[in-house]
Amino acid sequence: EAGVAQSPRYKIIEKRQSVAFWCNPISGHATLYWYQQILGQGPKLLIQFQNNGVVDDSQLPKDRFSAERLKGVDSTLKIQPAKLEDSAVYLCASSFRTGAPLDEQFFGPGTRLTVL
Amino acid sequence: KQEVTQIPAALSVPEGENLVLNCSFTDSAIYNLQWFRQDPGKGLTSLLLIQSSQREQTSGRLNASLDKSSGRSTLYIAASQPGDSATYLCAVLSGSRLTFGEGTQLTVNP
Repeated sequence: EAGVAQSPRYKIIEKRQSVAFWCNPISGHATLYWYQQILGQGPKLLIQFQNNGVVDDSQLPKDRFSAERLKGVDSTLKIQPAKLEDSAVYLCASSFRTGAPLDEQFFGPGTRLTVL
Repeated sequence: KQEVTQIPAALSVPEGENLVLNCSFTDSAIYNLQWFRQDPGKGLTSLLLIQSSQREQTSGRLNASLDKSSGRSTLYIAASQPGDSATYLCAVLSGSRLTFGEGTQLTVNP
């Protein structure tokens, strides 16, 4: 079974530029998550989708971050404009269903963003 | 708001030692608790998942326990090996959100 795919793996940009990350979840997984992991910290949930609807985006800085999941499969996360403090690893995860305690989240390899 | 704390932040041990990593959480209303491993530059690999009704889970040299009432979990690694060197993250699922601790960075020296 193929895992969660993310691209690019690495990205370096200057502050105030825009950047986009792509995620392809495990086939058949209805729920998709984007996490931000700052160096030395645990991942923090940014947004959670159930199919193509948003379940939780309470921790997404909506003035600069946006995410979409068209057709309920792939997802993109965008930052516009980027700030220095956005330097982090952005992890995508997927699970079979939302709200089912038995469902594990499976993580992709992440995209490491450096903002100069 | 759920908060997860992991102690110690870093640990260095000689090969062959048994060791314990600790995790505590503030809200006992959880569905499950997971332990993950993260290698440098890599994503997260799930090691063990304990449902709220369970007390422990075992996989090979790993054993995780859960005391929901006291808000604590431990990850026991037996006979540690250099290949166990990584960051270990604890996460609890409450509501529909997975909340992570900051991790314990483990180094096992040959």
